[in-house]
Amino acid sequence: GAGVSQSPSNKVTEKGKDVELRCDPISGHTALYWYRQSLGQGLEFLIYFQGNSAPDKSGLPSDRFSAERTGGSVSTLTIQRTQQEDSAVYLCASSRLQGYTEAFFGQGTRLTVV
Amino acid sequence: SQQGEEDPQALSIQEGENATMNCSYKTSINNLQWYRQNSGRGLVHLILIRSNEREKHSGRLRVTLDTSKKSSSLLITASRAADTASYFCASGGANSKLTFGKGITLSVRP
Repeated sequence: GAGVSQSPSNKVTEKGKDVELRCDPISGHTALYWYRQSLGQGLEFLIYFQGNSAPDKSGLPSDRFSAERTGGSVSTLTIQRTQQEDSAVYLCASSRLQGYTEAFFGQGTRLTVV
Repeated sequence: SQQGEEDPQALSIQEGENATMNCSYKTSINNLQWYRQNSGRGLVHLILIRSNEREKHSGRLRVTLDTSKKSSSLLITASRAADTASYFCASGGANSKLTFGKGITLSVRP
């Protein structure tokens, strides 16, 4: 596609429910990143993919968070048993070469846990 | 650990003035990138400087890199009200995630 696409753009969920956030990177980009940003804060690294593998999962806050990437393309970030502190904007980015080239960001998914 | 750290945290200037923002990083890098964010959503890439470069220009933007001090600066000349945004630096390199600092909030007063 023309840019990185994230869906949904907004998600309101009840505490304890599971949510899935989707990211469609730019075609041909091998690297894909997930970040989380709370209101007025910086970007908190969650996980990145090189192809379908995730060399660094160190940023995932707890075992309630998981992510996968299939076919070297679409990625899904899953949060199980959501908590109020999970409320944030979840940003996805992709780049042609991990670490070496500019990253292109999607518009993010604003998750609100009530 | 936070790879990029920007300062100041907030900057307020008059339209037409220059804005200088600084970034420090901790480990070896292949490149240093600057991004801009409006309205708390997606970031937009501004400029990338490689570790073997010392200065780079793009329009009203000038970025410098000092690998001996592990620092970079972003200069926006002749600022405009539309430059009001948050600015982030990010370090990139082999086998490393793209790590962002906490950002600088720039306000340009008309």
